[in-house]
Amino acid sequence: DIVMTQSPDSLAVSLGERATINCKSSQSVLYSSNNKNYLAWYQQKSGQPPKLLFYWASTRESGVPDRFSGSGSGTDFTLTISSLQAEDVAVYYCQQYYTTPRTFGQGTKVEIK
Amino acid sequence: QVQLVQSGAEVKKPGASVKVSCKASGYTFNSYYMHWVRQAPGQGLEWMGIINPIDGTTSYAQNFQGRVTMTRDTSTTTVYMELSSLRSEDTAVYYCARNVAGGFFDYWGQGTLVTVSS
Repeated sequence: DIVMTQSPDSLAVSLGERATINCKSSQSVLYSSNNKNYLAWYQQKSGQPPKLLFYWASTRESGVPDRFSGSGSGTDFTLTISSLQAEDVAVYYCQQYYTTPRTFGQGTKVEIK
Repeated sequence: QVQLVQSGAEVKKPGASVKVSCKASGYTFNSYYMHWVRQAPGQGLEWMGIINPIDGTTSYAQNFQGRVTMTRDTSTTTVYMELSSLRSEDTAVYYCARNVAGGFFDYWGQGTLVTVSS
């Protein structure tokens, strides 16, 4: 199984400041035949199901604010919130869909400082 | 609009089984595989398995092999997840999630809380 490890486990950021979440996979999730990274990011607010933010590592889902960005390739990925808003308080998960079983990172909790 | 509506909360005793439903609407049911994911209280997301709505073929996570059964009813556009031999560690919110070509999940059900307690 591919192990997904996120860092940090939690972070507190002031409103308007940048938040950066890292995700590392135990093996590459880059598929060489199409040069796509099989990596998604989800946001989960308290009491709600997860919501898709990014797929193919950096393709923003429709409706996701552009203060969110996804980057990285191979085994190392980053989710950045450029200017944290109050509504961004949530737990963020990365997920690989390169292979079965699908696996998730343990989650990163983002709070307001 | 795409909707995945799950059945209501359940309370079960250890050793019992539970069957959770997920009714899909707003899209062509046969065109998208469906996953099941669970989340224990205060914990992360755990993938359980996937079902092909066309022929009902399934693939389950090793952790659930022998205890989970996923089925579908194309006439009602509903998928089901049955988990047997329940234990307290199975207390969790269970989600269905639609698979997009490529393999990520674009729509999720609202979740079904299953509580296992004597």
